[in-house]
Amino acid sequence: DGGITQSPKYLFRKEGQNVTLSCEQNLNHDAMYWYRQDPGQGLRLIYYSQIVNDFQKGDIAEGYSVSREKKESFPLTVTSAQKNPTAFYLCASRSALDRGPGYTFGSGTRLTVV
Amino acid sequence: AQSVAQPEDQVNVAEGNPLTVKCTYSVSGNPYLFWYVQYPNRGLQFLLKYITGDNLVKGSYGFEAEFNKSQTSFHLKKPSALVSDSALYFCAVRDTGGGNKLTFGTGTQLKVEL
Repeated sequence: DGGITQSPKYLFRKEGQNVTLSCEQNLNHDAMYWYRQDPGQGLRLIYYSQIVNDFQKGDIAEGYSVSREKKESFPLTVTSAQKNPTAFYLCASRSALDRGPGYTFGSGTRLTVV
Repeated sequence: AQSVAQPEDQVNVAEGNPLTVKCTYSVSGNPYLFWYVQYPNRGLQFLLKYITGDNLVKGSYGFEAEFNKSQTSFHLKKPSALVSDSALYFCAVRDTGGGNKLTFGTGTQLKVEL
């Protein structure tokens, strides 16, 4: 079945470490997005990419980095510069067509700093 | 910049009663509006969207939403709530500028009790 796969489901990071969250889609979508979810704050946009080898900062990009070397993949690196990385991270992709849901979300990665 | 407001952090309703989850938006131009549902530690599931056309949009699991341009609202409704509807609900608006980003409300926790 087509969809988005995020891995791992749970991730633990020590202070000062960089970690990378994986997001892979087989929907042939051009655009991909990373959101951060904190209780009571909804989802906030970290980075997005509309085409391969191009990406833009979202509202809370500081302390994060991304790459888009392949259409299917949009990994997110949480760097040691991110002061409060504990959160639930959601990846999404978007169809260019307005039919159907338009956006498809992965099942998320819960990152905890230990 | 666009924004979405969900004024209620939590909504409680008895099973079998109608439910309403409120959403208001602010956007320049014509709004593209979405409702999503999230179960614990899961991604977002699409419920319905409004792009154009009828103001009453029907979606998944018996949910519907009413677009009201004069009140800039897009309230989610269901005629008869089920305990299984208990979840976190997000309203979102699509960016009318570049990137087609989604801006989310802070979410409303729906609790349906027997």
